[in-house]
Amino acid sequence: DAKTTQPNSMESNEEEPVHLPCNHSTISGTDYIHWYRQLPSQGPEYVIHGLTSNVNNRMASLAIAEDRKSSTLILHRATLRDAAVYYCILRPYNNAGNMLTFGGGTRLMVKP
Amino acid sequence: SQTIHQWPATLVQPVGSPLSLECTVEGTSNPNLYWYRQAAGRGLQLLFYSVGIGQISSEVPQNLSASRPQDRQFILSSKKLLLSDSGFYLCAWTQGGANEKLFFGSGTQLSVL
Repeated sequence: DAKTTQPNSMESNEEEPVHLPCNHSTISGTDYIHWYRQLPSQGPEYVIHGLTSNVNNRMASLAIAEDRKSSTLILHRATLRDAAVYYCILRPYNNAGNMLTFGGGTRLMVKP
Repeated sequence: SQTIHQWPATLVQPVGSPLSLECTVEGTSNPNLYWYRQAAGRGLQLLFYSVGIGQISSEVPQNLSASRPQDRQFILSSKKLLLSDSGFYLCAWTQGGANEKLFFGSGTQLSVL
C-alpha cells in the first residue's frame, strides 16, 4: 500500500493562509491524491483530489509536486470553522485501493 | 442524490453484550462499503470493506464481524463486546474508481462499560 505521512499538528491565525503538507514518496503513476477533513464528532468530509495538475475548488487548493512525491493542501484564508483533522490518502487507479487506509492526519488549530 | 445513513448515533452497552450497527446507502448501486473505527484523539482504523453482496474483507483481527446482506446495506456486529471495542464507528461508501470521492456517515459513538 502506498502510504502518506503528515505532521501531527499545525497552528494558524484566522484569515491567514494555511499550507498543509503531505509526503507520499512511494506513490505510483496512477494513484490519485485525496484530501478529507474531520470536524469534531463528525465523519470526515471530502475536500479535494487530484492526479498531476494543481486543483482548485471552493474549499481549497491542491498543489502537487512535479515528481508527485508530495502535495500541499492550501486553505487561502483560514477561519475558525476550518479547525479540523486533515487527512491525505492515496487511491490507486486499478481498484486495488478498495482497502482505503488513513493515517493519523494533521490537526489544524486556528487562533482568532 | 446519494445519501448514507448510519445509526444509532450513540450507544452505551455493557461488556459481554451483542452489537449490531447498520449502515445503508441510497441513490447508488454496487458501492464499495467500509467500516472504520476511531479511538479518542486518534486516526481512522479500517476494520472491514466490501466490494459486493456477501463479500467481506477484514483488515484487523478482532472481536467484530461484518456482513453485507443487500447491495446497499452494511452491518457491523459482535457477539460479546469488550471494553476495547469502545470508539467512534464510521461507515463509508465510494464507487470503485480512484477518481471517486469517499462519503462518510455521521458515525456511532459506542461506549462499552
